[in-house]
Amino acid sequence: QLVESGGGLAKPGGSLRLSCAVSGFPFTDYYMSWVRQAPGQGLEWLAYISGRSDYINYADSVKGRFTISRDNAKNSLYLQMNSLRAEDTAVYYCARDVVGADYYGMDVWGQGTAVTVSS
Amino acid sequence: IVLTQSPVTLSLSPGERATLFCRASQSFRSSLAWYQQKPGQAPRLLIYETSYRATGIPARFSGSGSGTDFTLTISSLEPEDFAVYYCQLRGNWPPAVTFGQGTRLEIK
Repeated sequence: QLVESGGGLAKPGGSLRLSCAVSGFPFTDYYMSWVRQAPGQGLEWLAYISGRSDYINYADSVKGRFTISRDNAKNSLYLQMNSLRAEDTAVYYCARDVVGADYYGMDVWGQGTAVTVSS
Repeated sequence: IVLTQSPVTLSLSPGERATLFCRASQSFRSSLAWYQQKPGQAPRLLIYETSYRATGIPARFSGSGSGTDFTLTISSLEPEDFAVYYCQLRGNWPPAVTFGQGTRLEIK
């Protein structure tokens, strides 16, 4: 199970930190991703992180502004969002990313947390 | 790599066959996944590695394709299948994740 929190209202240029609490599977064994969905729009992948945080990658749209991290001792995933813009308004999902010899998709998703960036 | 899904909207009736397309801007050595999303819900993984059904996904869902052209087929539509469908890949290089823009499957 994945449960996101930390969403809310932020001002342009402000910051928010999203959290994703994980339970029910060995957290360290899995990559994790953040994916967002702007109102009425499609899915946009933002970032992924490997089980031991040795592989991290970002979408160009958030590189340099957002930071993905994880605390395996707390079974938690994070997304630090800085320099927020109006276009960052979206529902943010965390997802379990199954990567092995091949790629097996994002098979477990949280319910999402809404972020609104507005003055 | 850009994924382009077609059609944007597909209008069909329950019991009909649905064929959704996903075209990549270049051939890639990776695998394609498909997701279903209903209003107000998180996406659900349907297909991974182009053609393998995820756990609990009914046999009426199937995936196929290679190179740049991929297909999701729903053999006989059930009322609960009307939703938005996304294709997705995770590239080897660059190692980014890409979603298609989605196909809305609506009841005719």
